[in-house]
Amino acid sequence: GDSVTQMEGPVTLSEEAFLTINCTYTATGYPSLFWYVQYPGEGLQLLLKATKADDKGSNKGFEATYRKETTSFHLEKGSVQVSDSAVYFCALARRDSSYKLIFGSGTRLLVRP
Amino acid sequence: SAVISQKPSRDICQRGTSLTIQCQVDSQVTMMFWYRQQPGQSLTLIATANQGSEATYESGFVIDKFPISRPNLTFSTLTVSNMSPEDSSIYLCSVELGGTEAFFGQGTRLTVV
Repeated sequence: GDSVTQMEGPVTLSEEAFLTINCTYTATGYPSLFWYVQYPGEGLQLLLKATKADDKGSNKGFEATYRKETTSFHLEKGSVQVSDSAVYFCALARRDSSYKLIFGSGTRLLVRP
Repeated sequence: SAVISQKPSRDICQRGTSLTIQCQVDSQVTMMFWYRQQPGQSLTLIATANQGSEATYESGFVIDKFPISRPNLTFSTLTVSNMSPEDSSIYLCSVELGGTEAFFGQGTRLTVV
């Protein structure tokens, strides 16, 4: 079945460091791909998305490119801030499943001043 | 976008009792989704709720344990029945809008003692 695999956390970085959180997926067809963020004590918020191969989603300095050939959707940010500390979830949705989301296990990011 | 309100935001319940969680959306939506996030884990889809029909449950979830109502296009409830400590989780309501994005409520943090 469809699945999403994320790198395990926690990831601890110093402020202004470069961030990469790896995400790979298994799915039939051409899913849409998402990154969601969950700040401490809050619900999920959509960070960015990509709906077809080679699309790049971007928001708040974060980027991820839909790579069909490697079935990946890695999240990157050039310079993290303390306020980026949160749990990040990679997810996919199959177009024939009315956007029921399949989530990865989540990666906790801790940014130190 | 969509604004989703969940009630209650948190509760502590005795084992063997039931809790009903409400989800209100500020626009009409065809499908609503209920997810569970167990402590330290990712989100798992419980069921999909269409207005006017019975909910569709994912593998491992049954209607007797998680009855769902969907009386109109802006409202749904999820009941967690005969609770045990293993039901302690965050329960989230989600809707899809425009076929492109899923929005989440703030979640209901349930602790069963």
